[in-house]
Amino acid sequence: GAVVSQHPSRVICKSGTSVKIECRSLDFQATTMFWYRQFPKQSLMLMATSNEGSKATYEQGVEKDKFLINHASLTLSTLTVTSAHPEDSSFYICSAHKNRFSGGTEAFFGQGTRLTVV
Amino acid sequence: ILNVEQSPQSLHVQEGDSTNFTCSFPSSNFYALHWYRWETAKSPEALFVMTLNGDEKKKGRISATLNTKEGYSYLYIKGSQPEDSATYLCAYHSGGGADGLTFGKGTHLIIQP
Repeated sequence: GAVVSQHPSRVICKSGTSVKIECRSLDFQATTMFWYRQFPKQSLMLMATSNEGSKATYEQGVEKDKFLINHASLTLSTLTVTSAHPEDSSFYICSAHKNRFSGGTEAFFGQGTRLTVV
Repeated sequence: ILNVEQSPQSLHVQEGDSTNFTCSFPSSNFYALHWYRWETAKSPEALFVMTLNGDEKKKGRISATLNTKEGYSYLYIKGSQPEDSATYLCAYHSGGGADGLTFGKGTHLIIQP
């Protein structure tokens, strides 16, 4: 399978500061990457779709000015949580899709980032 | 709003027993149904990607079936082992495959020795 690497795995930051999370596809090129968020006892929820060389598309209710996404190359997407507040504390995880020879696509996930804002 | 439901939320199974759990999803605009196995502190690991109604897939002791007309999929584990303990996620993929996935909350499986 393919490998997606996400860093950092855990971060604690002060309220009002910004945090950058990186997502890299190590052995394939990903024109599209996806960012998800999971609150306790909830499902993984799609936040935004990161498109290489163009603007990200955000799901309803996700503030694009707060969650800045940059996809500058075919192997790297970054999510920056700006002016973080305690309610932004969550588990953030990225994925990239790869086409399957047998049809359909398969999603490969990073390890996730546990963000705690104090 | 797409709704993917998984049941049960959690499950305790004796080692050696077989078990199964369910994922229900919208039957419209279907592209694929994914199953993942997710252990704590690791990346979700893809188990199956199923695209056709009636698909049955198998990987070792784990198998899955798909009914796109009625919108459900079953995951089966035969002869459960402690290493099967994990959260099993299903995810619905719509829109021709270009969209992100819609996940269920998962089934947390604990195998008791």
